[in-house]
Amino acid sequence: AQTVTQSQPEMSVQEAETVTLSCTYDTSENNYYLFWYKQPPSRQMILVIRQEAYKQQNATENRFSVNFQKAAKSFSLKISDSQLGDTAMYFCAFMKLNYGGATNKLIFGTGTLLAVQP
Amino acid sequence: DAGVIQSPRHEVTEMGQEVTLRCKPISGHNSLFWYRQTMMRGLELLIYFNNNVPIDDSGMPEDRFSAKMPNASFSTLKIQPSEPRDSAVYFCASTSGGRVLGNTIYFGEGSWLTVV
Repeated sequence: AQTVTQSQPEMSVQEAETVTLSCTYDTSENNYYLFWYKQPPSRQMILVIRQEAYKQQNATENRFSVNFQKAAKSFSLKISDSQLGDTAMYFCAFMKLNYGGATNKLIFGTGTLLAVQP
Repeated sequence: DAGVIQSPRHEVTEMGQEVTLRCKPISGHNSLFWYRQTMMRGLELLIYFNNNVPIDDSGMPEDRFSAKMPNASFSTLKIQPSEPRDSAVYFCASTSGGRVLGNTIYFGEGSWLTVV
């Protein structure tokens, strides 16, 4: 069975600074996706970034980037130029890829609560 | 484009009452998920459907919970009878699946359930 571990329950960063959230996962699969979701106080789950395991290049989305280390099973999220609106719970998630492309379920970590301080 | 639509957004009900949560997935999506979020257990997958067929319901807590997807644009999650420990945020999510489209799962805004 796959597991996702986020070892930082809470983190704090000053506005405009850079912060990195950690995520490790355990799987015997070779083909999968990894995701970071953001959950602000409104509780809505918002996709931040996605990484396909078969791609060596790290995904980036504006101020958000990942450091994907497949051998180490590590998938950290870096937020540059932190903004007050980045304050939220961040969840790392894993999805096994079925051959033929059929959807599989997301397995979530326990989350990291990020507070951006003015 | 409309996202995943859930109703009701908030519900407060008394223990023993039946609760029905509803979900309309994004048009064209063929997979639908029901997740539950609590402080104690985090985000748990309850059940998911591919092409309206339940694929994995191993997360459904007990017989009090049931889910249906009668067609591609509608699903319900029913709790009967409800108990205080069912209080949680229930998320519906959907995806179009397939390697080309990336398997990204999109979530609704959640239904906040309080059972008193």
